[in-house]
Amino acid sequence: GIQVEQSPPDLILQEGANSTLRCNFSDSVNNLQWFHQNPWGQLINLFYIPSGTKQNGRLSATTVATERYSLLYISSSQTTDSGVYFCAVRNNNDMRFGAGTRLTVKP
Amino acid sequence: DSGVTQTPKHLITATGQRVTLRCSPRSGDLSVYWYQQSLDQGLQFLIQYYNGEERAKGNILERFSAQQFPDLHSELNLSSLELGDSALYFCASSVGWSDSGNTIYFGEGSWLTVV
Repeated sequence: GIQVEQSPPDLILQEGANSTLRCNFSDSVNNLQWFHQNPWGQLINLFYIPSGTKQNGRLSATTVATERYSLLYISSSQTTDSGVYFCAVRNNNDMRFGAGTRLTVKP
Repeated sequence: DSGVTQTPKHLITATGQRVTLRCSPRSGDLSVYWYQQSLDQGLQFLIQYYNGEERAKGNILERFSAQQFPDLHSELNLSSLELGDSALYFCASSVGWSDSGNTIYFGEGSWLTVV
C-alpha cells in the first residue's frame, strides 16, 4: 500500500511564528486531506487538496501531485493551533494516514 | 461540528465482552467509514460502507464486524474484546464512495477502554 511520511514529527513554536509541515507519499493518489486533531481527540478537516493550492485564513496548503508531496503552512500561529496534524491520502478506496506532526504553540 | 454523530463517547468494558458503536453520517452522505486510532498503530482504516453495501475493507479483525442500515446509520460491533482493542474509534462519512472528489468528515470518536 501507499506509504505516507510526515515531517517533522514534533514542532515547538512560539506564538506568532510561522511553520511548514510536509507530507510525502509513495504513489499517485486521487485524494489528499489534511486534518487537525485537537487535544480533545477531535479530527477536524482542514483541506481537501489532491492538487494545487488552497487557503483558509492563516492556513494554506499546496500539493504537487507529480512530485508526491503536500505542504501545510501555518502563519501567525496561536496556542489553539496546538495538536497533531495528519495528512491522509487515498487510492483505490484505501485511505492511509501519516504518523502526524505534533505541534505545540507556546504563549 | 462535522455533522457526524457517534455514540457512546466513552465506554469501559471488560475483556471478553462485546460492544456496539453507533454512527450517524452527515445529512446527505451515503458513505460511512470506520477507523481505529491506537497509540502503537496510529490511525488505521477498518471498513467502508456505501449505501448499505460494504465497499472497502482495511485492517479489520475477524472479531469485529460492521453494517450500514437502510437509514444510513452504521454500527461497529467489537466482540471477544482484548486489552489491545482499547483505542479511539472514529466514524467518518462522505457523499460518494470513490477516492476522487470526496471530502471525508470525521465524528468525535468513541473512546473504548478494555480492562
